[in-house]
Amino acid sequence: ELKVEQNPLFLSMQEGKNYTIYCNYSTTSDRLYWYRQDPGKSLESLFVLLSNGAVKQEGRLMASLDTKARLSTLHITAAVHDLSATYFCAVVPSGSARQLTFGSGTQLTVLP
Amino acid sequence: GAVVSQHPSRVICKSGTSVKIECRSLDFQATTMFWYRQFPKQSLMLMATSNEGSKATYEQGVEKDKFLINHASLTLSTLTVTSAHPEDSSFYICSARDAANYGYTFGSGTRLTVV
Repeated sequence: ELKVEQNPLFLSMQEGKNYTIYCNYSTTSDRLYWYRQDPGKSLESLFVLLSNGAVKQEGRLMASLDTKARLSTLHITAAVHDLSATYFCAVVPSGSARQLTFGSGTQLTVLP
Repeated sequence: GAVVSQHPSRVICKSGTSVKIECRSLDFQATTMFWYRQFPKQSLMLMATSNEGSKATYEQGVEKDKFLINHASLTLSTLTVTSAHPEDSSFYICSARDAANYGYTFGSGTRLTVV
């Protein structure tokens, strides 16, 4: 059974600071996804990582994937209040019926 | 980009009644759709995988007779919560796989409150 672990679960950080969210998964995977969820809302797609060594950046967020270590990171640079949200990673196991398995989420609060 | 429309966004129903939630892929065909449930402060839990023209595949512990899924066309899947009870109150989210872009697009979610 695929397990996806995110840490930290809760993160409070000051504006302007950098931090990294980690996502570990337990079996081989074809793809890894990062999503953002605002309170009371659905998921917004951030990144799709398709291969080992993949790196994608959008604004202050950068995601990377190491399939050998079964690890993805979401790095936040110079955080701003608008980044406050819950971030989820999700994995599709190799050879699966293509359903996503989600991590438990990281609730990020950026303080002024 | 791919868009998935989900309705209603919010519904309040009486205990014992049934509620239908619709999920439509607007600009692509979705042979497979997924239904998730999310309790407050928790992650998304997959309930079932909906396949066009065939029976849904339910995850362990999900009652298929209580959560009826129909996927009659390539653009529409429905989830009916039958004989709803307060413990069924939750945020239900559908998702469709956009095969062209390796992406999964999510509906806007339905907040179900059973009173």
